Amino acid sequence: NAGVTQTPKFRILKIGQSMTLQCTQDMNHNYMYWYRQDPGMGLKLIYYSVGAGITDKGEVPNGYNVSRSTTEDFPLRLELAAPSQTSVYFCASSGPRDRETFSGNTIYFGEGSWLTVV
Amino acid sequence: DAKTTQPTSMDCAEGRAANLPCNHSTISGNEYVYWYRQIHSQGPQYIIHGLKNNETNEMASLIITEDRKSSTLILPHATLRDTAVYYCIVRRYNQGGKLIFGQGTELSVKP
Repeated sequence: NAGVTQTPKFRILKIGQSMTLQCTQDMNHNYMYWYRQDPGMGLKLIYYSVGAGITDKGEVPNGYNVSRSTTEDFPLRLELAAPSQTSVYFCASSGPRDRETFSGNTIYFGEGSWLTVV
Repeated sequence: DAKTTQPTSMDCAEGRAANLPCNHSTISGNEYVYWYRQIHSQGPQYIIHGLKNNETNEMASLIITEDRKSSTLILPHATLRDTAVYYCIVRRYNQGGKLIFGQGTELSVKP
């Protein structure tokens, strides 16, 4: 059980290039999330998904795209990279709320992907 | 989403209890209170969560007021390794269960 795995861990992009940050989880979680964290700031939600085939925008979606073709994978696509996208990116996943006990579920985070756009 | 208010920073002596307050006065009945912490630039680490009852686990205790407008995270015997940024978050499951982070409290545990 590896949890949430992100690749790559580090990447340098040139302005205007595109790339995909990969995220996969092996916990059969239906909820998945992408966050970014700028230096000294809290995490901002980019996109999230409540299940395969369903995605929705978070707080800061501009400049990014996502897809969710399988339960396990939730890639984040950066098109036309800009210096403002220099950040640490975290992927996360969670199971649903327990319908019987109404207990919440933990959100598990990956170790982060450091992206620099120059 | 309900917003949370936390002090920007706090100090705590090693071995003493650390009590981190959080205000969430606009919380609604179907929102859970979650606490996470982040050490340096690592991924956030789950600590504890609750709906309306007090909760305890091996890491911490969560005390939620009866009106649910505020809560306190208690680290019973803080160590130097507990130095981190602590985030109090409310989570609504009918909005995809997403966590919206605020600025958090920077806890410094001092020898």
